[in-house]
Parts: sequence; C-alpha cells; structure tokens
Amino acid sequence: QVQLKESGPGLVKPSETLSLNCTVSSDSLSGHYWSWIRQSPGKGLEWIGYLYYTGITDYNPSLKGRVTISVGTSNNQFSLKLTSLTAADTAVYYCARHGTNKQYWSLDYWGQGTLVSVSS
Amino acid sequence: DIQMTQSPSSLSASVGDRVTITCRASQTISDYLCWYQQKPGKPPNLLIYAASNLHSGVPSRFSGSGSGTDFTLTINNLQPEDFAVYYCQHSYRAPYTFGQGTRLEMK
Repeated sequence: QVQLKESGPGLVKPSETLSLNCTVSSDSLSGHYWSWIRQSPGKGLEWIGYLYYTGITDYNPSLKGRVTISVGTSNNQFSLKLTSLTAADTAVYYCARHGTNKQYWSLDYWGQGTLVSVSS
Repeated sequence: DIQMTQSPSSLSASVGDRVTITCRASQTISDYLCWYQQKPGKPPNLLIYAASNLHSGVPSRFSGSGSGTDFTLTINNLQPEDFAVYYCQHSYRAPYTFGQGTRLEMK
C-alpha cells in the first residue's frame, strides 16, 4: 500500500519561505507524477504543481514565481518551496501521487496533510 | 484555466436515497474528470476517474457519467458512511482545477 507523509513547520512568518517534504513509502518516485495540493476555507482545493520523477515540473500560474517542487535527497522524497508567504497561504498542504495514463492521471494516493499557518 | 462548477453546493438526503451531483467544465475536457470524497480531517479519496471508471475498492453504488463539459456523480442506496463532501477535478491539462465541493448531509 503506497503511503505519503508530509513534514515541515506548522507556523511560518509572513514574507518567509515555506519548505515541506513528502516521503513516499512502498513506492519510489519512478514512473509517476507527484503533486502538491492545498486546501484553505476560502479557496477550496487548489493544485499547486507537479513533479515528474525525471525532474520535469509544472506549476499553477497563480503561484508561478513563488513555487518550486523538486526531488528530495532520496528517490522516495520530493519537496515544496513557497516563497514570500502571506496569510492567504495558510492552508492544509497535501502531497499526492498521480495514477498512470490509464487512470487519466487521477490523484490516487494522498498524504494526510499538514496544516501551515502564516502568522507573525 | 478550466473552471469547474459543481451543483448543488449542499444536499440533504436519507439513508437509502439516490443522489446526483453535477459538475460542469468551462471548456471541453473529454472524459478527463475525477470525483473525490472527503471526510472531516481526512484527505480527498479518489472514487472515479475517466468520468465513469470506479477506482479500486470503491463500492458499486457509486457511478459517474458524462463527457465534454457535463458530468454527474450518482450514489445509489446511500449509506451512513457516504455523508461527506464530494469534489470533481479535471485532469485534462495543467492547472488541474477542482470544483468548489458538494456537501452531502443527512436529512
């Protein structure tokens, strides 16, 4: 059973950079796309961006310029960096795996989510 | 960006009922449409992909249909564990946007 787990700070100050990691168990990054999604009361579910295991990335234009997704230090980790934080970035952040093309790239496995609050 | 609009925003129903939730895309997405169920404090859980294909382990009382811009999720014989929030999401091209959600409540 594939499992994903987010880790990182729960509280970040405005204007600072958020760094989150996603650790994947019972799978490696190979062969799949991996995404970060966030959920806030005001904006619902928002796709942040994806990483393909080769390092290819794509980001939501609404966050472009502030977001970087990259492979972690091991083949079962990837990370999210979001700069210039404001209160609007307060949300639960999820990492998730995309299924294959036969599953139409649906998000078939999700982490439990980590709440990030932006406040001084 | 492709906008996804769900209706209704909330819905009251009883155990044993049949309910339908609709999702409309702002432009054609073929059948690149997924449905998720989310319960409080939990991540979304994939129910249906490719508009009508049941994800592994999902009960057969859930079904999906549609293509192009208009899609539906139907739940037959509602069970107590089905009361949750449901989201549609397109996977046609980035950015992958979600609907605003439909809250299914017990009557």
